[in-house]
Amino acid sequence: KQEVTQIPAALSVPEGENLVLNCSFTDSAIYNLQWFRQDPGKGLTSLLLIQSSQREQTSGRLNASLDKSSGRSTLYIAASQPGDSATYLCAVVSSGNTPLVFGKGTRLSVIA
Amino acid sequence: NAGVMQNPRHLVRRRGQEARLRCSPMKGHSHVYWYRQLPEEGLKFMVYLQKENIIDESGMPKERFSAEFPKEGPSILRIQQVVRGDSAAYFCASSPGTTSYGYTFGSGTRLTVV
Repeated sequence: KQEVTQIPAALSVPEGENLVLNCSFTDSAIYNLQWFRQDPGKGLTSLLLIQSSQREQTSGRLNASLDKSSGRSTLYIAASQPGDSATYLCAVVSSGNTPLVFGKGTRLSVIA
Repeated sequence: NAGVMQNPRHLVRRRGQEARLRCSPMKGHSHVYWYRQLPEEGLKFMVYLQKENIIDESGMPKERFSAEFPKEGPSILRIQQVVRGDSAAYFCASSPGTTSYGYTFGSGTRLTVV
């Protein structure tokens, strides 16, 4: 059974700092990994989707890497801004018909 | 493309009533997934449907909960005889297929049982 862990559970940084969020998964046989952002009381916004054959994906100030063999992914946020404050969720699909399995998220606060 | 549409956004039910949550997937998406998020907890998978078929309902409680995705119309998650423990945010996601495609989530329905 796939399990996804995110460390740290919460993180507070000053504005402008670069930061890394970590995600690990127990079964390395994944099809893809997706990072989401969730604002309080809101839905999920997809940030990046990495296929199992890819090593990284980039979108603006965000870069996600995937090391499938070690069961790890990182989300790198450059030059953080207060508007980046949210909960970041990592999720994986382990097989064709297996639904997305989520970690519990990292709650990020960027202080102005 | 309006994205994944869920309604209602907020739903208040008294204990023992029925709750019906609706989800219209993105245009062209035939795969629908329902998740539940309890306060301070992660998202838990409930059920996966394709048009007129339940593919995986392993995360859905055996009693009081049911889901459908008819040939026409939205997917419905139905909770009968609601209890306080059913209070949660219920999210629907859709995708055009499996494996290579990411999921797109709706804004959720926040169910409060009083």
